[in-house]
Amino acid sequence: EAEVAQSPRYKITEKSQAVAFWCDPISGHATLYWYRQILGQGPELLVQFQDESVVDDSQLPKDRFSAERLKGVDSTLKIQPAELGDSAMYLCASSSRADTQYFGPGTRLTVL
Amino acid sequence: GESVGLHLPTLSVQEGDNSIINCAYSNSASDYFIWYKQESGKGPQFIIDIRSNMDKRQGQRVTVLLNKTVKHLSLQIAATQPGDSAVYFCAENRRSQGNLIFGKGTKLSVKP
Repeated sequence: EAEVAQSPRYKITEKSQAVAFWCDPISGHATLYWYRQILGQGPELLVQFQDESVVDDSQLPKDRFSAERLKGVDSTLKIQPAELGDSAMYLCASSSRADTQYFGPGTRLTVL
Repeated sequence: GESVGLHLPTLSVQEGDNSIINCAYSNSASDYFIWYKQESGKGPQFIIDIRSNMDKRQGQRVTVLLNKTVKHLSLQIAATQPGDSAVYFCAENRRSQGNLIFGKGTKLSVKP
């Protein structure tokens, strides 16, 4: 069964450092999403791509976060500089249409 | 603001019993709903979905009911097993937006 791949699974960094997360969606899925999930809460959308284009980044803190999907396949989410409040699970999801989304295992970020 | 929420934050059931997890939504424009299961340290796993033109949909041991009159969604799990222990999220999707809006989740604990 095809799955969304993410790496790393865990990342520990110090505040003010830069971090990057990678996502490889299910093959053929044109839509890719990055979510942030704080412990005990539901995921919240950060950015949505349709192929290589951003269709929604209204909740992305653009002063420190950036996301790209240059060839419309895999994607990278970057935080620079990281802050203590960025500690969370970062989830990637993909879909072939704008409804059923399949999630990857996530990257657990801890900022010290 | 408009949101998707859950009535019960925790639910404890005996193995073999049926479980019912409830969810309320407030946006009548929502036309697609999904239930996800999330185990500790993992990404959300798709369970079952339902569109607004339906009021019931069944899967393997799971049934989702949608009551548009009172904006209520429920997930029924038959013969609950220890492996069903997880946090369950409902999510709504407004086709015009494409992204999912998640509730806070219900933790299901299955007692042997």
